[in-house]
Formats: sequence, C-alpha cells, structure tokens
Amino acid sequence: GESVGLHLPTLSVQEGDNSIINCAYSNSASDYFIWYKQESGKGPQFIIDIRSNMDKRQGQRVTVLLNKTVKHLSLQIAATQPGDSAVYFCAEKLFSNYQLIWGAGTKLIIKP
Amino acid sequence: DSGVTQTPKHLITATGQRVTLRCSPRSGDLSVYWYQQSLDQGLQFLIQYYNGEERAKGNILERFSAQQFPDLHSELNLSSLELGDSALYFCASSPRSTNTGELFFGEGSRLTVL
Repeated sequence: GESVGLHLPTLSVQEGDNSIINCAYSNSASDYFIWYKQESGKGPQFIIDIRSNMDKRQGQRVTVLLNKTVKHLSLQIAATQPGDSAVYFCAEKLFSNYQLIWGAGTKLIIKP
Repeated sequence: DSGVTQTPKHLITATGQRVTLRCSPRSGDLSVYWYQQSLDQGLQFLIQYYNGEERAKGNILERFSAQQFPDLHSELNLSSLELGDSALYFCASSPRSTNTGELFFGEGSRLTVL
C-alpha cells in the first residue's frame, strides 16, 4: 500500500547548526504534507505543512521543501536549539481523505 | 497546551481486563481521532469520529471499540487486553472532518498491561 517513510531514524546535530530531516513518500496524489514534532512524554505538535502545488514554505526557523519529482519532503531547522530535541514525523494526506499517513519518525538529538 | 484532554494519564492493568480511555476535544472541534503508539514507534491510526458518527477506521482491533458522545467527548474501550496492547494512546481533534492535516493532540494515556 501507499506509505510515507523516513531515510534516517536518528539525527545528531551540533547546537547552533542547521538540521535537515528527510522523508520519502509514495503517493503522488497526496495534496498535503505535514511535519509534526513530538517531544518526550508529549503528544505530537503540528509544525508546518505544505500543499502539493508548492515547492517551499517557510515558518519561524523552519522550512519545508517538497520535491515532487523524486517524492521527497524535507524539514530544515535553522540554528538548532536544545528545545528542538524531539522525534519528527512527516505525514501526507489527500485533501478529500480523513486520514493522515504517518512516517516512522526521526529522532533529532542536539549535541551541546 | 493543545486544549485536548485525555484521562487517565497512566493506567496499569492485567491481561484479560478491560479499560476505557477518555478524550475531551478542543472546544468547538467536531472530529476526534484515536492513535496508538508503541514504544519508540510511529503512530497507528485507530479510528475517527465526526460529530458523533464514525468517519474512518484504521488498524483497530475487534477487541477495541470507540464512540463519540453528544457533548463530543470520546471514549476508547480496550477489552481482553494482551501484553502487546501496552502503548501510548493518543487522542487528537480537529475542527473539520477533512482539513489540511493539522490535528491537536492530547498528551496521551499510557497503558501498561502486565
């Protein structure tokens, strides 16, 4: 079936550096792609989303890039801080569908 | 604080037992979603309700059931519990049944089956 997957289960980044978390998806018909952050002991929290008709979207310290040609999604976090330590999930959906298809998650570790 | 409330936060029970997890969605949200997350795993979608009616069903076992009440709170019932049911159970809500994917999650109910 269709799925969303992540290339790296764990990513270690020096504090202050930029982080890039990658995600591959297989459903070319998906309309929305979403990134969630899950801190330890908490529920996932929406970070940013991007529609399939866009290539890039920027938020506060985060940028999501969408490459439909290779079905690739990435989340860039600028000037990574200790508070960015979390598991990051990508997810996809069809606008007409009720469900999100979730990726496996990438654990981001910040080195002091 | 997402505005979604889940109770209990922690629950320890024995195999074969039955438990009920409760979720109060954000004020005004009509959709409630239930997810299961095993240790260091991703999120498995269980079921969605919209304004009291079941809208979508995912990988929910027959031993599990859910409902959404007229006041929009939801309950997830887990019966004949097995060791493998130990997990975090999250509830999420959203204002509409179809949306851009922004869900508001509660902090979860951690179930331990011994």
